[in-house]
Amino acid sequence: GENVEQHPSTLSVQEGDSAVIKCTYSDSASNYFPWYKQELGKRPQLIIDIRSNVGEKKDQRIAVTLNKTAKHFSLHITETQPEDSAVYFCAASIIQGAQKLVFGQGTRLTINP
Amino acid sequence: DGGITQSPKYLFRKEGQNVTLSCEQNLNHDAMYWYRQDPGQGLRLIYYSQIVNDFQKGDIAEGYSVSREKKESFPLTVTSAQKNPTAFYLCASSIVGGNNEQFFGPGTRLTVL
Repeated sequence: GENVEQHPSTLSVQEGDSAVIKCTYSDSASNYFPWYKQELGKRPQLIIDIRSNVGEKKDQRIAVTLNKTAKHFSLHITETQPEDSAVYFCAASIIQGAQKLVFGQGTRLTINP
Repeated sequence: DGGITQSPKYLFRKEGQNVTLSCEQNLNHDAMYWYRQDPGQGLRLIYYSQIVNDFQKGDIAEGYSVSREKKESFPLTVTSAQKNPTAFYLCASSIVGGNNEQFFGPGTRLTVL
């Protein structure tokens, strides 16, 4: 089955700097890669996703890149702000009916003022 | 934030007792999911259901059971056979097909004493 590895487990950056979180997946059939943000005590929420037919997707300060050959994808957050502090999860699945997401272990991102 | 609810927020049970966690959604989603979240780990899929009266095991189904008698409801029972039931449980729902973003409930924190 699919296995998703996420690094680093913790990341601390200065406000205004960029943050990068990386994930690798094992199943070459996976074609959908979402990123979820979970603030302390709250539910996970989708922040961006990418499908395997594109290599990059951007939404304001957030971008995701996908390398299908190497089977890895990354989340990039630019101009970080204190409200970006949270746990971020990557996931992978095959788009087919109900979605069996396999999640990475999570990255705790802390933005230092 | 509305649309998918879980109750209760906190639940305490004695070892050996079965306990049922509630999940309700009014998003008219066909698919529903149950995840378990442990500290330092990502979300792991317990069970999922693509349609009423049908459900499938996820990656860690042992010691859990579900039912899907109504589209809006997908209760999870944690049985006494689950060896380490203390965890944070998240329910989610999505449409089937297309952009199937999963929407999460607020979670139930179960503590078995």
